[in-house]
Amino acid sequence: SQTIHQWPATLVQPVGSPLSLECTVEGTSNPNLYWYRQAAGRGLQLLFYSVGIGQISSEVPQNLSASRPQDRQFILSSKKLLLSDSGFYLCALAVSTDTQYFGPGTRLTVL
Amino acid sequence: KNEVEQSPQNLTAQEGEFITINCSYSVGISALHWLQQHPGGGIVSLFMLSSGKKKHGRLIATINIQEKHSSLHITASHPRDSAVYICAVTDNFGNEKLTFGTGTRLTIIP
Repeated sequence: SQTIHQWPATLVQPVGSPLSLECTVEGTSNPNLYWYRQAAGRGLQLLFYSVGIGQISSEVPQNLSASRPQDRQFILSSKKLLLSDSGFYLCALAVSTDTQYFGPGTRLTVL
Repeated sequence: KNEVEQSPQNLTAQEGEFITINCSYSVGISALHWLQQHPGGGIVSLFMLSSGKKKHGRLIATINIQEKHSSLHITASHPRDSAVYICAVTDNFGNEKLTFGTGTRLTIIP
């Protein structure tokens, strides 16, 4: 069965510092991978998705970037964090239209 | 206007009550998902629907494609059902991206 690992689980970073959140998946090959963010008091929003190694699509203009260096690895990065980057970040994978799996999430607080 | 609208935003009920959460969408979809988010943030997928009705234990989900509407029902509600319930849709472009509703916060009082 598919498993998604995310780390770290929680992170507190100062404004202007860099960010790297990692997501790795097991139990599947060539999945579609997604980064979602849930800002405080708001719904989930798609940030990036990837259909394969090196293939990244961005859904919203922002301070963040994503990379997929390996089939089962998806990384979310920022060079300089903003206060507005605070939120709950979820990695997800889809192996078909009817199957979506979510990681445990990373709670990021930017101070 | 959001592509996915949920109602109510907040719902408080007594244990044992029948619960209904509604979801309306305005785009063409290939599937609709009901998700449960626990206080720590973790998300569990409850149902995926493309037509009709599904049942799992005390949870029932229905969808009306013509009316672009789905409902999630909980029978014999229990305090452990307290969570945020999120409706999400995948569009029909084949990339399985999810567009989410803002969620319904359900609190079941013992």
